[in-house]
Amino acid sequence: NAGVMQNPRHLVRRRGQEARLRCSPMKGHSHVYWYRQLPEEGLKFMVYLQKENIIDESGMPKERFSAEFPKEGPSILRIQQVVRGDSAAYFCASSPPTGGEANEQFFGPGTRLTVL
Amino acid sequence: KQEVTQIPAALSVPEGENLVLNCSFTDSAIYNLQWFRQDPGKGLTSLLLIQSSQREQTSGRLNASLDKSSGRSTLYIAASQPGDSATYLCAVRGNTPLVFGKGTRLSVIA
Repeated sequence: NAGVMQNPRHLVRRRGQEARLRCSPMKGHSHVYWYRQLPEEGLKFMVYLQKENIIDESGMPKERFSAEFPKEGPSILRIQQVVRGDSAAYFCASSPPTGGEANEQFFGPGTRLTVL
Repeated sequence: KQEVTQIPAALSVPEGENLVLNCSFTDSAIYNLQWFRQDPGKGLTSLLLIQSSQREQTSGRLNASLDKSSGRSTLYIAASQPGDSATYLCAVRGNTPLVFGKGTRLSVIA
């Protein structure tokens, strides 16, 4: 059973470009979470999605950031018009559909975004 | 708003020592608490998950305890090894999916 997969592992963008980060959850998992780790800071929750639904986006910046988890395919975190402050490691986690909030989250290896 | 604090921020110990990492949280209304390990430039490896109804969990040389009423958890590492060198993160699950502490950076010296 493959773990959570993220790609690309490393992404370089110039200011103003768009960044698309992909996350494939573990097999059988239908809940996906995105977290961001800024340099020298802890991980911060961004958004929680289930298939075709955003459950909690309280940690998402109000502008330029969006996330989706379509019925088919991976979850996508999209950052439009990137700025240098978006440079960070972005981690995806998944959990199974049963068990609710008590479920363990399993993390992917992360995508390290560098904005030039 | 939940806040998670980890003390110390960094720790250096000689190989073979037993050590304790501390985690405290401000809101005791949690579902569970997880301890993770993160190596430099890498992802997170889950070490132990303690549900809110549990007091401790053990895995090999690791033992984690949870005192929900006082908002504290400890991670005990027995007979430390150089391979244990990493950053250890504590995270609590409440109304917000996982609130993390900033971690304890552990160095085990051979």
